[in-house]
Amino acid sequence: GQNIDQPTEMTATEGAIVQINCTYQTSGFNGLFWYQQHAGEAPTFLSYNVLDGLEEKGRFSSFLSRSKGYSYLLLKELQMKDSASYLCAALTGGGNKLTFGTGTQLKVEL
Amino acid sequence: DTGVSQDPRHKITKRGQNVTFRCDPISEHNRLYWYRQTLGQGPEFLTYFQNEAQLEKSRLLSDRFSAERPKGSFSTLEIQRTEQGDSAMYLCASSPGDQPQHFGDGTRLSIL
Repeated sequence: GQNIDQPTEMTATEGAIVQINCTYQTSGFNGLFWYQQHAGEAPTFLSYNVLDGLEEKGRFSSFLSRSKGYSYLLLKELQMKDSASYLCAALTGGGNKLTFGTGTQLKVEL
Repeated sequence: DTGVSQDPRHKITKRGQNVTFRCDPISEHNRLYWYRQTLGQGPEFLTYFQNEAQLEKSRLLSDRFSAERPKGSFSTLEIQRTEQGDSAMYLCASSPGDQPQHFGDGTRLSIL
């Protein structure tokens, strides 16, 4: 079956750096996505890794190790507006659907 | 780019009634997806269209659920004989081929 694991909650301080880890066990893996979701809103695409390594996009970076079934999302210079749920999702089944983790609720404090 | 649009935003209905939701994808996106999300969980895949063809359906999609995309543009998701367990947020997403999926704001369904 498909299994995506990520921590349920994390707390960090404004201006700091936080790393959200995700491990996955899936069949037909074709890539790893990270989405941000504020309460009551749609998931918003943040980052996508197909190959091993680091992808950087402004304050957000994502890393993938396919051999270890591991990814992380790195958020730098945290802002209060970064308080949200961060969803790790594997692209599976021939590349046509996303299998999501339960999400990591990040709280940014002063 | 007006984004993925879903209608209605909220639906409250009595158990046993039928409901239908609509999704308008981003215009140039040939792929359309339906997901369901309950509180504290990530979205769960329901079904997927490429143009007008429904190519994959989850085992979560019982025979009370049906989805269509008749002209390869907008899509509808119908739930017949609704049950308490159908209460959830129903999310639609679209993508141009294998590119990242863009989500709509969802339809929140509440079953009384």
